[in-house]
Amino acid sequence: DTGVSQDPRHKITKRGQNVTFRCDPISEHNRLYWYRQTLGQGPEFLTYFQNEAQLEKSRLLSDRFSAERPKGSFSTLEIQRTEQGDSAMYLCASSYRGTTLLSQSYNEQFFGPGTRLTVL
Amino acid sequence: GENVEQHPSTLSVQEGDSAVIKCTYSDSASNYFPWYKQELGKRPQLIIDIRSNVGEKKDQRIAVTLNKTAKHFSLHITETQPEDSAVYFCAASKDSARQLTFGSGTQLTVLP
Repeated sequence: DTGVSQDPRHKITKRGQNVTFRCDPISEHNRLYWYRQTLGQGPEFLTYFQNEAQLEKSRLLSDRFSAERPKGSFSTLEIQRTEQGDSAMYLCASSYRGTTLLSQSYNEQFFGPGTRLTVL
Repeated sequence: GENVEQHPSTLSVQEGDSAVIKCTYSDSASNYFPWYKQELGKRPQLIIDIRSNVGEKKDQRIAVTLNKTAKHFSLHITETQPEDSAVYFCAASKDSARQLTFGSGTQLTVLP
């Protein structure tokens, strides 16, 4: 499978514990995004990277959240001291920022299957 | 920041009929408008997108229209089939390589 992958697919944790999720983007993609999706809602933007640089963070990303993309390939999202309100699906997406031979940017975001977090 | 409103939240149509989902956005600087389909338990998948320099785009049974003046865009699905049943999300962005702001989704049910 050459698409975006995420690990784990499901995580159940107790309130107060730390959790870490991993995202592996499509290999040639230089942009990587994290979104959070709660039941019945659209994905909400959390943060994104261009290679290893974190370019933007949402206000949703409190101090308990941190994301890294150390080598510009895979990324990790860590949530410290989890709360019940953190329960959601965490989606990763990747895209290629650049131009094609036709000088048209091709920036479709491809999503991974998500990590479903349940905080008890 | 950008705000995207989507309606209806649920839509039921008979197989073969057309379905229309509408979205409005708030930021006039937005210039990229994708539509994603998400089946139950699956990842969102892009089905069509449009950029602000185009008013309409078609791909087989799917079309999207954009009215920049009114800041709204719509998804049209013709000759609906049961496999079109899913949640559809519209989104907006100032640049397709930046973050997307999503609508709240429309649950489309195509009745056989």
